[in-house]
Amino acid sequence: GQNIDQPTEMTATEGAIVQINCTYQTSGFNGLFWYQQHAGEAPTFLSYNVLDGLEEKGRFSSFLSRSKGYSYLLLKELQMKDSASYLCAAISGNTGKLIFGQGTTLQVKP
Amino acid sequence: DGGITQSPKYLFRKEGQNVTLSCEQNLNHDAMYWYRQDPGQGLRLIYYSQIVNDFQKGDIAEGYSVSREKKESFPLTVTSAQKNPTAFYLCASSIGGMNGYTFGSGTRLTVV
Repeated sequence: GQNIDQPTEMTATEGAIVQINCTYQTSGFNGLFWYQQHAGEAPTFLSYNVLDGLEEKGRFSSFLSRSKGYSYLLLKELQMKDSASYLCAAISGNTGKLIFGQGTTLQVKP
Repeated sequence: DGGITQSPKYLFRKEGQNVTLSCEQNLNHDAMYWYRQDPGQGLRLIYYSQIVNDFQKGDIAEGYSVSREKKESFPLTVTSAQKNPTAFYLCASSIGGMNGYTFGSGTRLTVV
């Protein structure tokens, strides 16, 4: 079957670092996305990993291990505006369909 | 600027009525998708279309219908057969294959 798991909620302090984990099981895996979603708004693209390793983009980095079916999103120097839901999504097969996890709601506190 | 537009942003309907949500894109994307999001949950796929005049059911298609008569448009009809239609509906498009999605701003449907 297809399944994506990520923690439901996390809390972190402004200025700190937080790591949001995601494990996945999909048929015909072809890459993993991370999206940020503020309440009531559309998800916005953060990162895409298809090869093993770390992709760094400013304060955000994303890691993928295909052999372990595991990814994480790393947020550094947390800001209050980073309070949002973070969605992990894997591409299934060759259709381009994205299978989403339930999302991790991150609350950044002063 | 290219983008994907959903309308309306908020929609209220009485129970038992069909309602159609609009989704238009001018990105020249072949693939379009409809997702439903309930509070505190991730996105669940309702229908998707990879090419004009063709579409496939997603994981929760029951009570919904779509059409894809034009490349730019992928309207979703929520029928009276959908037992719990109140939700946030997101439309997305993609050039297909291994590329990610561009999302619309969403329509929040409330059935009273």
